[in-house]
Amino acid sequence: DQQVKQNSPSLSVQEGRISILNCDYTNSMFDYFLWYKKYPAEGPTFLISISSIKDKNEDGRFTVFLNKSAKHLSLHIVPSQPGDSAVYFCAASASGGTSYGKLTFGQGTILTVHP
Amino acid sequence: DTEVTQTPKHLVMGMTNKKSLKCEQHMGHRAMYWYKQKAKKPPELMFVYSYEKLSINESVPSRFSPECPNSSLLNLHLHALQPEDSALYLCASSQDGAGSTTDTQYFGPGTRLTVL
Repeated sequence: DQQVKQNSPSLSVQEGRISILNCDYTNSMFDYFLWYKKYPAEGPTFLISISSIKDKNEDGRFTVFLNKSAKHLSLHIVPSQPGDSAVYFCAASASGGTSYGKLTFGQGTILTVHP
Repeated sequence: DTEVTQTPKHLVMGMTNKKSLKCEQHMGHRAMYWYKQKAKKPPELMFVYSYEKLSINESVPSRFSPECPNSSLLNLHLHALQPEDSALYLCASSQDGAGSTTDTQYFGPGTRLTVL
């Protein structure tokens, strides 16, 4: 049962344009959502997060939007740069119960930004 | 500073060897994690330590043995591994891992393990 889904395995964008990466979740207990960026053979790098009490969080070129009713979040990168090319993982956690400390990851989306 | 360090960067071992992976953080985090990642897959949680006590073991085979000597260090002892255990092993840490809503995990660079 995949509780966090990234339905687009890959995304190709022109430099300077907007990249939009999407993530859906099924577990209504999730209350904290994170985006990580990963280069091959390296550990994931934390990018940005959002708690369920918000619907938007912005940090420089990165903005995350959360739609709780649709159980959907998205990461917007604008403007996109070639150095943004990497695998992007959406992750979610639930603060209550026995699941605390567990991050559930999506399958990842490979973003390629062309010069 | 959000640095988590891991040693070694690469490790090759035979199925009869005993080796250890090490992880260190100096951010004052009280929760530390081990993940395993196969190529083209997301990280899979193995163990969680919260305040130096094992709080989650995701049914990991006993050939993997975690140890948390103190709040800054996390080890993963390996013994009698199988070739299918070859993967990138990631360590992460977070502020408390005790259920706070905004507990962000920060990852190390990983150890690339190859079992022959």
